[in-house]
Amino acid sequence: DTEVTQTPKHLVMGMTNKKSLKCEQHMGHRAMYWYKQKAKKPPELMFVYSYEKLSINESVPSRFSPECPNSSLLNLHLHALQPEDSALYLCASSQGGLATDTQYFGPGTRLTVL
Amino acid sequence: AQSVSQHNHHVILSEAASLELGCNYSYGGTVNLFWYVQYPGQHLQLLLKYFSGDPLVKGIKGFEAEFIKSKFSFNLRKPSVQWSDTAEYFCAVTLGTDKLIFGTGTRLQVFP
Repeated sequence: DTEVTQTPKHLVMGMTNKKSLKCEQHMGHRAMYWYKQKAKKPPELMFVYSYEKLSINESVPSRFSPECPNSSLLNLHLHALQPEDSALYLCASSQGGLATDTQYFGPGTRLTVL
Repeated sequence: AQSVSQHNHHVILSEAASLELGCNYSYGGTVNLFWYVQYPGQHLQLLLKYFSGDPLVKGIKGFEAEFIKSKFSFNLRKPSVQWSDTAEYFCAVTLGTDKLIFGTGTRLQVFP
């Protein structure tokens, strides 16, 4: 099973709402990632968790709050977002978080902030 | 700043034509290089990668790429494209950590 799943597929939220994105993998991978992809742009790294610890935060605003409850799950908590945060949010995982490891991507959550 | 350049933003080909997509990076140290593909409505998936050894790398679906260190390049090639190759192609690098830096992408359209 080389699948990374993400829920929900689509999410519409207001600027005052609190919502969460969920990502799951059962490949035994120990590194998990959140990326943001705007339309017609490449994915941009937001956060990296390695062995359930946050290892990289790419200066992401605090209205995005990641959480890694266990090695299979990764959440992204959203609060007080802005319309410009509308994008496709991608989750990925890799075996050990090495620079040479392949990252496996999920299908993404398409977020619209009204 | 380190960057990845894909100069071909949009490529249009007929089936059976040969394909070469350019990728250049701006970093003088050790790099690991990847090509990912995003088919319409599907998730990003790895085509091939290079981190050491033979600079000519073969990937899935008949794709290959050649690492030319002196040119800081990792161009993607396929001798004969099919309509099903229509997709967005991203070159990406890692530079010692698992932070994946993507190029701007190339949209490939293949017409029957």
